[in-house]
Amino acid sequence: RKEVEQDPGPFNVPEGATVAFNCTYSNSASQSFFWYRQDCRKEPKLLMSVYSSGNEDGRFTAQLNRASQYISLLIRDSKLSDSATYLCVVSRPGGTSYGKLTFGQGTILTVHP
Amino acid sequence: DGGITQSPKYLFRKEGQNVTLSCEQNLNHDAMYWYRQDPGQGLRLIYYSQIVNDFQKGDIAEGYSVSREKKESFPLTVTSAQKNPTAFYLCASRRTANEKLFFGSGTQLSVL
Repeated sequence: RKEVEQDPGPFNVPEGATVAFNCTYSNSASQSFFWYRQDCRKEPKLLMSVYSSGNEDGRFTAQLNRASQYISLLIRDSKLSDSATYLCVVSRPGGTSYGKLTFGQGTILTVHP
Repeated sequence: DGGITQSPKYLFRKEGQNVTLSCEQNLNHDAMYWYRQDPGQGLRLIYYSQIVNDFQKGDIAEGYSVSREKKESFPLTVTSAQKNPTAFYLCASRRTANEKLFFGSGTQLSVL
């Protein structure tokens, strides 16, 4: 089983739709969770951190379920500009003080008119 | 403005040649990382460094080498031992554990 797994999609949705992505992780010692957005051939950019109580930033909502070991990202009222690859990132204690970051393979979202 | 600068943006390697990718940051971050991304895949860790003059292998270090002689700089050399070097290479840094990564804009390496 991969350490971090995402549904690669692609997800094709119309403008205004609500779409949700899940990401599962295998190590129960994982501590920090992030969603990054990556446009084609560009660097990933932080979309939001994921907190235990769940958090919202405008149209985006992130949730963490430690019991089932997954995080989710919900996008409401999708815009054309939301089209991108969404990367799930999980940090767990490792052999160093900085821990180990593991990336999922990404979920491709295409929003069409 | 603080940030991470990667160069060049595009790089071509001939058979048997070593090439070096540059990564410089002025964020005063201790930890720096090199990732490789192949089409349709997530990022895989090549090497990372937590402090000057120290670095550790990541998951796919074979065929790569790094140095960390200055806090600001973490160059990656793709050696001739790396038989499949074509990929998008990303450099990143962060200030402390559990904080977000800052990324450079990436280098696309291709084989001639």
